[in-house]
Amino acid sequence: DAGVIQSPRHEVTEMGQEVTLRCKPISGHDYLFWYRQTMMRGLELLIYFNNNVPIDDSGMPEDRFSAKMPNASFSTLKIQPSEPRDSAVYFCASSLPGLNTEAFFGQGTRLTVV
Amino acid sequence: LAKTTQPISMDSYEGQEVNITCSHNNIATNDYITWYQQFPSQGPRFIIQGYKTKVTNEVASLFIPADRKSSTLSLPRVSLSDTAVYYCLRTASGSARQLTFGSGTQLTVLP
Repeated sequence: DAGVIQSPRHEVTEMGQEVTLRCKPISGHDYLFWYRQTMMRGLELLIYFNNNVPIDDSGMPEDRFSAKMPNASFSTLKIQPSEPRDSAVYFCASSLPGLNTEAFFGQGTRLTVV
Repeated sequence: LAKTTQPISMDSYEGQEVNITCSHNNIATNDYITWYQQFPSQGPRFIIQGYKTKVTNEVASLFIPADRKSSTLSLPRVSLSDTAVYYCLRTASGSARQLTFGSGTQLTVLP
């Protein structure tokens, strides 16, 4: 397996624009996590899914952020409208079912909002 | 949720053994301790996990005392390539599958 695949790797956009980040989890993994990493706040869990269903979105910063998982092999994180403070590296991770299984992270998407 | 405390940074020299301690005073009965490693511009990577006593793999050892209020990640004979941020997590069991990362420990290995 190629691991967790995220696209794009880098995204530069203007304030107010819509941004969509994409993630393909490892086949067979039924947990999917979205994280945001900044120097100030570290790694923050935004939302996670189990079997394509959002389980906990309490980390989503505000209504401008939304995440979907239409099927087991694809998830999106959308920011609309984007703001400069959304600039960060966004990571997607997936894991197998079962307790305490390790999470596999993608390479991340570096988002810059100017 | 799942608060752990670890040193912000540590320095070491090549070839030395490095021990990073993590405090988790309020660990729950079903919680495991899991360590991740993160290199710059990469996502975190799983290193090791344990419940109590000692766990060893090809990369590291993990020591967890009987009271489980702390744990120590041991990296034998570090090299420059071990320079990274190391995160200690309480991995909540059951339906709460959050992986909550703290600030981590920046380990710098010097030549």
